[in-house]
Amino acid sequence: QVTLKESGPALVKPTQTLTLTCAFSGFSLTTSGVCVGWIRQPPGKALEWLALIDWDDNKYYNTSLKTRLTISKDTSKNQVVLTMTNMDPVDTATYYCAREGLAGDFDFWGQGTLVTVSS
Amino acid sequence: EIVLTQSPGTLSLSPGESATLSCRASQIVSSRYLAWYQQKPGQAPRLLIYAASSRAIGIPDRFSGSGSGTDFTLTISRLEPEDFAVYYCQQYDNSRFTFGPGTKVDIK
Repeated sequence: QVTLKESGPALVKPTQTLTLTCAFSGFSLTTSGVCVGWIRQPPGKALEWLALIDWDDNKYYNTSLKTRLTISKDTSKNQVVLTMTNMDPVDTATYYCAREGLAGDFDFWGQGTLVTVSS
Repeated sequence: EIVLTQSPGTLSLSPGESATLSCRASQIVSSRYLAWYQQKPGQAPRLLIYAASSRAIGIPDRFSGSGSGTDFTLTISRLEPEDFAVYYCQQYDNSRFTFGPGTKVDIK
C-alpha cells in the first residue's frame, strides 16, 4: 500500500536552513506520471502548497517561496527532500509530503511533521 | 495565480442534515483539476473528491462534488458524526496548486 512519512528537525533557529525528508513506499518515482509534493499548514491556518517534483526530475515551486526552496529526489532510497533557506518564525507549520493523484490532486499524504522556528 | 474562496467560513449543522459548501475561483478552473479534502484535528487532509465530481477510493456516496468554471460545490448529505471537520478545496493550474481557506463544519 502507499505510504509516505516526513522526517526532519522539530526546531530550527531563525535564518537557518530546514531540510525535510519524505520517505515513501508503494509506488516509484521512476514511473511515468508520478509526482510528489510538499504542503505546509501553520497552526490553525490553511494549507499552502510549496513544491512538486516529477518522475522526470522536473521541479515546480510556489512562486512566492521559490527563491528559498529546493526539492530533490533519491529514487534509489524512495525519498524526496525539501530544503527551505532563511527560516523565520512565520514558517512554523506542519509540513506534509503527498503523492499527486490522477488530476492535480494529492491522493496520499504523510502524517506531517511539525517544525517550529524559534531562537 | 488562481485564488480560491470558500464559503461559509463555518457551517453549524446537526447530524442527519445536509451540508452545502462553496468554492469560488478567481479565474476559470478546469473541472478536471478541482479537488476537495477533509481534515480532522491532528490529522493529515484526506482526499474526498477529484476532478470536481469523482469520489476518491473509499469515500462514501453521501459526499458529492459538482460545478464548473469558477463555482464548485461539495455536498454532504445526511451528516454523520465523523463528518464534522474542516473541508478544503484545491485547484491545479499551470504546474501550480492552490488551496482555499477552508470551511469548518461543526455540530450545532
